Amino acid sequence: ILNVEQSPQSLHVQEGDSTNFTCSFPSSNFYALHWYRWETAKSPEALFVMTLNGDEKKKGRISATLNTKEGYSYLYIKGSQPEDSATYLCAFLYNQGGKLIFGQGTELSVKP
Amino acid sequence: SQTIHQWPATLVQPVGSPLSLECTVEGTSNPNLYWYRQAAGRGLQLLFYSVGIGQISSEVPQNLSASRPQDRQFILSSKKLLLSDSGFYLCAWSVLGLNTEAFFGQGTRLTVV
Repeated sequence: ILNVEQSPQSLHVQEGDSTNFTCSFPSSNFYALHWYRWETAKSPEALFVMTLNGDEKKKGRISATLNTKEGYSYLYIKGSQPEDSATYLCAFLYNQGGKLIFGQGTELSVKP
Repeated sequence: SQTIHQWPATLVQPVGSPLSLECTVEGTSNPNLYWYRQAAGRGLQLLFYSVGIGQISSEVPQNLSASRPQDRQFILSSKKLLLSDSGFYLCAWSVLGLNTEAFFGQGTRLTVV
């Protein structure tokens, strides 16, 4: 059984706060780690696809790091804005090919 | 460009009735195809995935089945729906590769009454 765990489950911050979430995943059979953003009434959209241990990726105010040896990834949002409010999902792509397992997500609410 | 179509968007079905949800992908060949469900909570539970025609991997024993009759068509079915089958179902596709993400359909909200 592959377990992908995310914490915290929910987060409420004020506009301008910086925040971070954690995704833990199996440290064996790793192929890739994905981060998605899921807004209400929309489909999940990919933020990052990370493959190499030590990877750091950035898109605007959002960045992510990856540690495949210990099985975790962090997602950071700098200076949160109300439009960042969404559920953030990480997903583990298993190296046997094809199996993409999601965590339960972190629901972020940013108050103006 | 690639697109994914999933229908219907909403569905209300009585307990014991059959189910068929369809997902088709355009603009790519031999995609990996996925069915997910969001029931309680916010995460996505993987139900089935397929890496090729006729190849279906089932992740969770349940009242559902999946088929892939064509390369870019993925169907989720049930012979007799249960109340617990209610939820939000998402179809997705990807191409296996190191830097490729999954792309999702618009989802189907299924309510079993």
